[in-house]
Amino acid sequence: SQTIHQWPATLVQPVGSPLSLECTVEGTSNPNLYWYRQAAGRGLQLLFYSVGIGQISSEVPQNLSASRPQDRQFILSSKKLLLSDSGFYLCAWLKGTFSTEAFFGQGTRLTVV
Amino acid sequence: GDSVTQMEGPVTLSEEAFLTINCTYTATGYPSLFWYVQYPGEGLQLLLKATKADDKGSNKGFEATYRKETTSFHLEKGSVQVSDSAVYFCALESGNTGKLIFGQGTTLQVKP
Repeated sequence: SQTIHQWPATLVQPVGSPLSLECTVEGTSNPNLYWYRQAAGRGLQLLFYSVGIGQISSEVPQNLSASRPQDRQFILSSKKLLLSDSGFYLCAWLKGTFSTEAFFGQGTRLTVV
Repeated sequence: GDSVTQMEGPVTLSEEAFLTINCTYTATGYPSLFWYVQYPGEGLQLLLKATKADDKGSNKGFEATYRKETTSFHLEKGSVQVSDSAVYFCALESGNTGKLIFGQGTTLQVKP
């Protein structure tokens, strides 16, 4: 069966420090992968999505970047965190386009202090 | 670009009341449409879906019909329960780009 792993679950980082959140998918190949941020009262904001290795689409200008070094690995990064980067980050995947369902990781609660 | 707009919440209802949560979308082409639900303390999970015009998705007493003419996918339930209290997200998947876009979410609170 397919599973999605996202870590860490919680993270407290000082302003200006780097960030690396990792998401991996098991049990499938060539998934579409997504990074979302869920801010209080603001719903799910799509940050990045990837339809294949090395293919990254950015949805909003920001202090973050994403990479897809392997088919089932999706990484969210920042060189220097800002206070405004605090939030709940969710990784999700779909098996290609016209999929019937997205599967979400458990999320990472990031607090920048 | 593609977008999804949901009615603002929170929505507070009494048990057994009728529920409607409005959702409209803007997209190029003909996207698949979804409703996801997030129960307190849990992740998002698919509630129902529709992949083409006039399709009706249904699950757990919830229904939504894909209306191409009004670009809408409103969520309805005839009689809500306290256990339906959650955040509901409308979403579209653009078949052309693979993007999965969510609305801002609507919080539903059902009181006994």
